Amino acid sequence: QVQLQESGPGLVKPSETLSLTCAVSGYSISSGYYWGWIRQPPGKGLEWIGSIYHSGSTYYNPSLKSRVTISVDTSKNQFSLKLSSVTAADTAVYYCARLLLRLDYWGQGTLVTVSS
Amino acid sequence: EIVLTQSPGTLSLSPGERATLSCRASQSVSSSYLAWYQQKPGQAPRLLIYGASSRATGIPDRFSGSGSGTDFTLTISRLEPEDFAVYYCQQYGSSPAWTFGQGTKVEIK
Repeated sequence: QVQLQESGPGLVKPSETLSLTCAVSGYSISSGYYWGWIRQPPGKGLEWIGSIYHSGSTYYNPSLKSRVTISVDTSKNQFSLKLSSVTAADTAVYYCARLLLRLDYWGQGTLVTVSS
Repeated sequence: EIVLTQSPGTLSLSPGERATLSCRASQSVSSSYLAWYQQKPGQAPRLLIYGASSRATGIPDRFSGSGSGTDFTLTISRLEPEDFAVYYCQQYGSSPAWTFGQGTKVEIK
């Protein structure tokens, strides 16, 4: 059974960098699929942030591209998100997921609040 | 960029009734690239339907998907109490990129 688990600080100050990690179990990241991040502001809908292919190629939402970096550590079977220059608008639940044409496995999500 | 528009925003129905949710794309979408998700409060979304009409593993057969081109539909034949939730459609686009509709809330009438 594929499982994903997000981890990282729940509180980030404005203008700083949000950093999250997604640990994957039950499947080797290097075996295939895209691995990505999706966020959901409180009471709102889902927004794809970006994805990384198992080969290391990255793809980002154009609206966030200038601030996003996604990387993968195959030795630890995990991938990471960095979002720079955060503001209150970046407050959201952040999910990691396995993607192909669809998102078939999701982490439970982690709330990140941007506040001083 | 393809935009997905879901309607209605909220659907108020009683248990046992039929729910019909719409997802309209701004450009034609391959049926293979259209999926539906269910999200309950405090939970991650769960994949229901992929390829526009194929049920994901463990999804009851009261859930069905249909459509092609720019118009897709999720139907819940008889609402169970656990089906009251928010539903999202999603498409996979070339680039690659993944986009979601804004969601339809199915609430108890």
